[in-house]
Amino acid sequence: EADIYQTPRYLVIGTGKKITLECSQTMGHDKMYWYQQDPGMELHLIHYSYGVNSTEKGDLSSESTVSRIRTEHFPLTLESARPSHTSQYLCASRAGQREQFFGPGTRLTVL
Amino acid sequence: GENVEQHPSTLSVQEGDSAVIKCTYSDSASNYFPWYKQELGKGPQLIIDIRSNVGEKKDQRIAVTLNKTAKHFSLHITETQPEDSAVYFCAASNPPGTYKYIFGTGTRLKVLA
Repeated sequence: EADIYQTPRYLVIGTGKKITLECSQTMGHDKMYWYQQDPGMELHLIHYSYGVNSTEKGDLSSESTVSRIRTEHFPLTLESARPSHTSQYLCASRAGQREQFFGPGTRLTVL
Repeated sequence: GENVEQHPSTLSVQEGDSAVIKCTYSDSASNYFPWYKQELGKGPQLIIDIRSNVGEKKDQRIAVTLNKTAKHFSLHITETQPEDSAVYFCAASNPPGTYKYIFGTGTRLKVLA
Protein backbone atom coordinates (compact mmCIF):
# COMPACT_ATOMS: atom_id res chain seq x y z
CA GLU A 1 0.00 0.00 0.00
CA ALA A 2 1.44 3.35 -1.05
CA ASP A 3 1.81 6.05 1.60
CA ILE A 4 0.96 9.03 -0.54
CA TYR A 5 -1.85 11.36 0.43
CA GLN A 6 -3.80 14.09 -1.27
CA THR A 7 -6.13 16.65 0.28
CA PRO A 8 -8.77 17.63 -0.29
CA ARG A 9 -10.27 14.71 -2.20
CA TYR A 10 -13.02 16.90 -3.63
CA LEU A 11 -13.14 20.68 -3.97
CA VAL A 12 -15.83 22.94 -5.43
CA ILE A 13 -14.96 26.63 -5.55
CA GLY A 14 -15.89 29.82 -7.34
CA THR A 15 -13.96 31.53 -10.11
CA GLY A 16 -11.08 33.74 -8.99
CA LYS A 17 -10.31 31.91 -5.75
CA LYS A 18 -6.79 30.90 -4.82
CA ILE A 19 -6.43 27.22 -4.04
CA THR A 20 -3.70 24.86 -2.92
CA LEU A 21 -3.87 21.13 -3.48
CA GLU A 22 -1.82 19.22 -0.96
CA CYS A 23 0.30 16.15 -1.63
CA SER A 24 2.48 14.38 0.88
CA GLN A 25 4.33 11.07 0.99
CA THR A 26 5.99 9.29 3.88
CA MET A 27 8.21 6.99 1.83
CA GLY A 28 11.15 9.41 1.55
CA HIS A 29 10.87 9.44 -2.25
CA ASP A 30 13.01 12.04 -3.96
CA LYS A 31 10.91 12.36 -7.12
CA MET A 32 7.37 13.72 -7.14
CA TYR A 33 4.92 14.49 -9.93
CA TRP A 34 1.60 16.19 -10.62
CA TYR A 35 -0.67 14.93 -13.39
CA GLN A 36 -3.90 16.36 -14.74
CA GLN A 37 -6.42 13.76 -15.78
CA ASP A 38 -9.14 14.62 -18.31
CA PRO A 39 -12.63 13.21 -18.01
CA GLY A 40 -11.62 11.21 -21.07
CA MET A 41 -8.99 9.46 -18.95
CA GLU A 42 -5.69 10.78 -20.39
CA LEU A 43 -2.93 11.56 -17.90
CA HIS A 44 -0.89 14.69 -18.59
CA LEU A 45 2.26 15.58 -16.64
CA ILE A 46 2.06 19.22 -15.50
CA HIS A 47 4.87 19.47 -12.92
CA TYR A 48 7.65 17.35 -11.48
CA SER A 49 10.42 17.57 -8.93
CA TYR A 50 13.59 15.52 -8.53
CA GLY A 51 14.31 16.78 -5.04
CA VAL A 52 14.08 19.64 -2.57
CA ASN A 53 14.17 23.05 -4.25
CA SER A 54 13.90 21.42 -7.69
CA THR A 55 10.76 21.92 -9.79
CA GLU A 56 10.13 21.65 -13.51
CA LYS A 57 7.18 22.15 -15.81
CA GLY A 58 5.79 19.06 -17.45
CA ASP A 59 4.60 18.28 -20.93
CA LEU A 60 1.21 19.99 -20.57
CA SER A 61 1.21 23.73 -20.01
CA SER A 62 -0.49 24.67 -16.76
CA GLU A 63 -1.22 27.93 -14.97
CA SER A 64 -0.56 26.24 -11.65
CA THR A 65 2.68 26.49 -9.68
CA VAL A 66 4.40 24.06 -7.34
CA SER A 67 6.99 24.16 -4.60
CA ARG A 68 9.23 21.54 -2.98
CA ILE A 69 10.57 22.89 0.29
CA ARG A 70 10.47 19.53 2.04
CA THR A 71 11.07 16.06 0.61
CA GLU A 72 7.68 14.76 1.68
CA HIS A 73 5.55 17.67 0.55
CA PHE A 74 4.71 18.87 -3.00
CA PRO A 75 1.78 21.31 -3.02
CA LEU A 76 0.18 22.67 -6.18
CA THR A 77 -1.28 26.20 -6.22
CA LEU A 78 -3.69 27.99 -8.53
CA GLU A 79 -3.62 31.75 -7.89
CA SER A 80 -6.95 32.41 -9.58
CA ALA A 81 -9.09 29.40 -10.40
CA ARG A 82 -11.15 29.33 -13.60
CA PRO A 83 -13.72 26.84 -14.94
CA SER A 84 -11.07 25.59 -17.40
CA HIS A 85 -9.12 24.29 -14.39
CA THR A 86 -11.89 21.82 -13.59
CA SER A 87 -10.24 18.40 -13.67
CA GLN A 88 -8.80 15.60 -11.57
CA TYR A 89 -5.30 16.20 -10.23
CA LEU A 90 -3.12 13.21 -9.37
CA CYS A 91 0.09 13.35 -7.37
CA ALA A 92 2.74 10.64 -7.63
CA SER A 93 6.15 9.84 -6.20
CA ARG A 94 9.00 7.41 -6.74
CA ALA A 95 12.50 6.61 -5.53
CA GLY A 96 15.11 6.41 -8.26
CA GLN A 97 14.15 3.92 -10.96
CA ARG A 98 11.63 2.14 -8.81
CA GLU A 99 7.85 1.98 -8.99
CA GLN A 100 5.89 5.21 -9.24
CA PHE A 101 3.08 5.41 -6.70
CA PHE A 102 -0.01 7.54 -7.20
CA GLY A 103 -2.16 9.29 -4.64
CA PRO A 104 -5.97 9.00 -4.70
CA GLY A 105 -6.42 12.29 -6.56
CA THR A 106 -8.24 15.58 -6.00
CA ARG A 107 -11.30 16.26 -8.09
CA LEU A 108 -11.53 20.02 -8.60
CA THR A 109 -14.62 21.80 -9.87
CA VAL A 110 -14.49 25.54 -10.53
CA LEU A 111 -17.87 27.20 -10.96
CA GLY B 1 9.01 13.47 -28.76
CA GLU B 2 7.91 10.12 -27.44
CA ASN B 3 4.40 9.00 -28.19
CA VAL B 4 2.53 6.01 -26.79
CA GLU B 5 -0.54 4.72 -28.60
CA GLN B 6 -2.93 2.41 -26.78
CA HIS B 7 -5.71 0.24 -28.20
CA PRO B 8 -8.53 -0.42 -27.81
CA SER B 9 -10.04 2.51 -25.92
CA THR B 10 -12.86 0.31 -24.63
CA LEU B 11 -13.05 -3.45 -24.27
CA SER B 12 -15.89 -5.67 -23.10
CA VAL B 13 -15.32 -9.36 -22.39
CA GLN B 14 -17.32 -12.13 -20.83
CA GLU B 15 -16.23 -13.29 -17.40
CA GLY B 16 -13.66 -16.04 -17.78
CA ASP B 17 -12.47 -14.87 -21.20
CA SER B 18 -9.09 -13.26 -21.88
CA ALA B 19 -8.45 -9.57 -22.48
CA VAL B 20 -5.57 -8.10 -24.45
CA ILE B 21 -4.55 -4.44 -24.53
CA LYS B 22 -1.82 -3.25 -26.89
CA CYS B 23 0.53 -0.27 -26.82
CA THR B 24 3.04 1.06 -29.30
CA TYR B 25 5.84 3.45 -28.45
CA SER B 26 7.93 5.62 -30.73
CA ASP B 27 11.29 6.10 -28.97
CA SER B 28 13.44 3.01 -29.34
CA ALA B 29 15.54 4.19 -26.38
CA SER B 30 12.65 3.69 -23.91
CA ASN B 31 13.63 0.89 -21.55
CA TYR B 32 10.89 0.54 -18.94
CA PHE B 33 7.20 -0.18 -19.51
CA PRO B 34 4.74 -0.24 -16.59
CA TRP B 35 1.03 -1.02 -16.65
CA TYR B 36 -1.38 0.70 -14.28
CA LYS B 37 -4.94 -0.12 -13.25
CA GLN B 38 -7.23 2.69 -12.18
CA GLU B 39 -10.47 1.92 -10.40
CA LEU B 40 -13.28 4.43 -10.08
CA GLY B 41 -12.43 7.21 -7.65
CA LYS B 42 -8.86 6.02 -7.08
CA GLY B 43 -5.39 6.79 -8.35
CA PRO B 44 -3.66 4.43 -10.80
CA GLN B 45 -1.94 1.41 -9.26
CA LEU B 46 0.97 -0.50 -10.79
CA ILE B 47 -0.03 -4.05 -11.69
CA ILE B 48 2.94 -5.27 -13.72
CA ASP B 49 5.99 -3.87 -15.48
CA ILE B 50 8.69 -5.01 -17.88
CA ARG B 51 12.17 -3.81 -18.73
CA SER B 52 13.63 -3.78 -22.21
CA ASN B 53 16.00 -6.70 -21.52
CA VAL B 54 13.04 -9.06 -20.98
CA GLY B 55 10.54 -10.33 -23.54
CA GLU B 56 7.77 -11.54 -21.25
CA LYS B 57 6.76 -11.35 -17.62
CA LYS B 58 3.90 -13.08 -15.85
CA ASP B 59 2.20 -12.62 -12.49
CA GLN B 60 -0.68 -15.03 -11.89
CA ARG B 61 -3.45 -14.08 -14.36
CA ILE B 62 -1.59 -11.06 -15.73
CA ALA B 63 1.23 -11.10 -18.27
CA VAL B 64 3.06 -8.51 -20.32
CA THR B 65 4.96 -9.12 -23.55
CA LEU B 66 7.45 -6.78 -25.19
CA ASN B 67 8.58 -6.73 -28.81
CA LYS B 68 11.47 -4.28 -28.99
CA THR B 69 11.90 -4.62 -32.75
CA ALA B 70 8.30 -3.65 -33.41
CA LYS B 71 8.24 -1.25 -30.43
CA HIS B 72 5.08 -2.60 -28.95
CA PHE B 73 4.04 -4.22 -25.71
CA SER B 74 0.83 -5.88 -24.61
CA LEU B 75 -1.07 -6.66 -21.42
CA HIS B 76 -2.79 -10.03 -21.22
CA ILE B 77 -5.39 -10.82 -18.56
CA THR B 78 -6.62 -14.41 -18.47
CA GLU B 79 -9.72 -15.81 -16.74
CA THR B 80 -11.14 -12.31 -16.32
CA GLN B 81 -13.28 -11.52 -13.29
CA PRO B 82 -15.72 -8.66 -12.64
CA GLU B 83 -13.15 -7.03 -10.33
CA ASP B 84 -10.82 -6.67 -13.31
CA SER B 85 -13.20 -4.00 -14.64
CA ALA B 86 -11.26 -0.72 -14.56
CA VAL B 87 -9.25 1.64 -16.74
CA TYR B 88 -5.81 0.35 -17.72
CA PHE B 89 -2.89 2.57 -18.74
CA CYS B 90 0.37 1.61 -20.37
CA ALA B 91 3.41 3.86 -20.08
CA ALA B 92 6.94 4.15 -21.41
CA SER B 93 9.89 5.77 -19.71
CA ASN B 94 10.88 8.84 -21.68
CA PRO B 95 13.45 9.98 -22.20
CA PRO B 96 15.47 7.20 -20.58
CA GLY B 97 17.06 8.36 -17.36
CA THR B 98 14.75 11.35 -16.87
CA TYR B 99 12.38 9.48 -14.57
CA LYS B 100 9.34 10.61 -16.53
CA TYR B 101 6.68 8.48 -18.18
CA ILE B 102 4.58 9.01 -21.25
CA PHE B 103 1.20 7.40 -20.70
CA GLY B 104 -1.10 5.79 -23.20
CA THR B 105 -4.64 7.11 -23.53
CA GLY B 106 -6.18 4.34 -21.42
CA THR B 107 -8.44 1.34 -22.03
CA ARG B 108 -11.74 0.98 -20.22
CA LEU B 109 -12.18 -2.74 -19.58
CA LYS B 110 -15.58 -4.10 -18.66
CA VAL B 111 -15.94 -7.71 -17.61
CA LEU B 112 -19.50 -8.91 -18.06
CA ALA B 113 -20.78 -11.41 -15.52
